[in-house]
Amino acid sequence: GENVEQHPSTLSVQEGDSAVIKCTYSDSASNYFPWYKQELGKRPQLIIDIRSNVGEKKDQRIAVTLNKTAKHFSLHITETQPEDSAVYFCAASIEGAQKLVFGQGTRLTINP
Amino acid sequence: KAGVTQTPRYLIKTRGQQVTLSCSPISGHRSVSWYQQTPGQGLQFLFEYFSETQRNKGNFPGRFSGRQFSNSRSEMNVSTLELGDSALYLCASSLRGNRDYGYTFGSGTRLTVV
Repeated sequence: GENVEQHPSTLSVQEGDSAVIKCTYSDSASNYFPWYKQELGKRPQLIIDIRSNVGEKKDQRIAVTLNKTAKHFSLHITETQPEDSAVYFCAASIEGAQKLVFGQGTRLTINP
Repeated sequence: KAGVTQTPRYLIKTRGQQVTLSCSPISGHRSVSWYQQTPGQGLQFLFEYFSETQRNKGNFPGRFSGRQFSNSRSEMNVSTLELGDSALYLCASSLRGNRDYGYTFGSGTRLTVV
């Protein structure tokens, strides 16, 4: 079955700097890759997603890139702010199977 | 519109007991999925229901079961609770399920087994 590896497990950056979180997946049939943000004590919330027919997608300060050949995808957050502090999860899914396989999560801390 | 509602928010149970958790999806959403979240294992898929049918099941023992009602509300049941079942149980709903990946998660039920 699908396996998703996420790195790093913790990331600390200065406010205003960029943060990058990377994930790799094992099943080449996976074609949907969402990213979720989970603040302490709250539910995971979808922040951006990408499908396999697209190489990059941006939404304001957040961008996701996908390399299907290498089977990895990354989340980029620019101009980080204190409210970006949270745990971020990547996930992969195969079309037709309503099932997300999640990475282990990255705890991002933005230092003021 | 109202989000995904999970009840109860917190539960404390004793080892060996059973527990039932409830999830009401966003109005109009027909797919409900359940996940277990623990610090050690992360978010793991339990099962997914669509139109009262289980379409997908994760790698959990048979003690974990679920069902979906005609109004799309879903329940999951865990029998013979073990200490390792302590976790945050999250449900997520989406409109059609099969080709609609826009999961919305509920706030979860935190289950503590003592």
